[in-house]
Amino acid sequence: GNSVTQMEGPVTLSEEAFLTINCTYTATGYPSLFWYVQYPGEGLQLLLKATKADDKGSNKGFEATYRKETTSFHLEKGSVQVSDSAVYFCALSEGQGGSEKLVFGKGMKLTVNP
Amino acid sequence: NAGVTQTPKFQVLKTGQSMTLQCAQDMNHEYMSWYRQDPGMGLRLIHYSVGAGITDQGEVPNGYNVSRSTTEDFPLRLLSAAPSQTSVYFCASSPFFLNTEAFFGQGTRLTVV
Repeated sequence: GNSVTQMEGPVTLSEEAFLTINCTYTATGYPSLFWYVQYPGEGLQLLLKATKADDKGSNKGFEATYRKETTSFHLEKGSVQVSDSAVYFCALSEGQGGSEKLVFGKGMKLTVNP
Repeated sequence: NAGVTQTPKFQVLKTGQSMTLQCAQDMNHEYMSWYRQDPGMGLRLIHYSVGAGITDQGEVPNGYNVSRSTTEDFPLRLLSAAPSQTSVYFCASSPFFLNTEAFFGQGTRLTVV
């Protein structure tokens, strides 16, 4: 079946550091790709998404590009803030027509220190 | 707009007890699902529903039951709790097609002793 592999961490960075979280996927067809973020004590919320090859999703300074040739969707941010401390999940949607599901990676915990 | 509401937030059960985790959404979403989150495992799909009266199994359905009698509600029942069901449970809803956003509740932390 389809799967998502991502960096698991945990990772600790200093404020204003550059962030990359690697995510690769295995899928049949052309799934939509997502990054979800979970802040402490909360549920997941969508950070960004891309629905087709070469699409770039962006939000809150984060970016990720859907790379079909390398089956990747790496998350990047040029300058992290303390408020970015959270767990980040890469995910894809599989199936169609009423059988769609989200498949998640294992998540990566990021801590940003001042 | 409340979004996705889960109750309770915390629960401790004894082995063998049963209980129902409640999930309600007010966005008129067709698609609802339950996940469990365990350390090092990410989120795993338990059951999902694409509309009232329709449910299906996910990756880890054993020991759990669901029903969907209304669009708004999607309760998860633990039939006979086991320590292996200690986890954080999340309910999510989305419009019918999953290439849109899924909205998650705040989670229920369940401990089975």
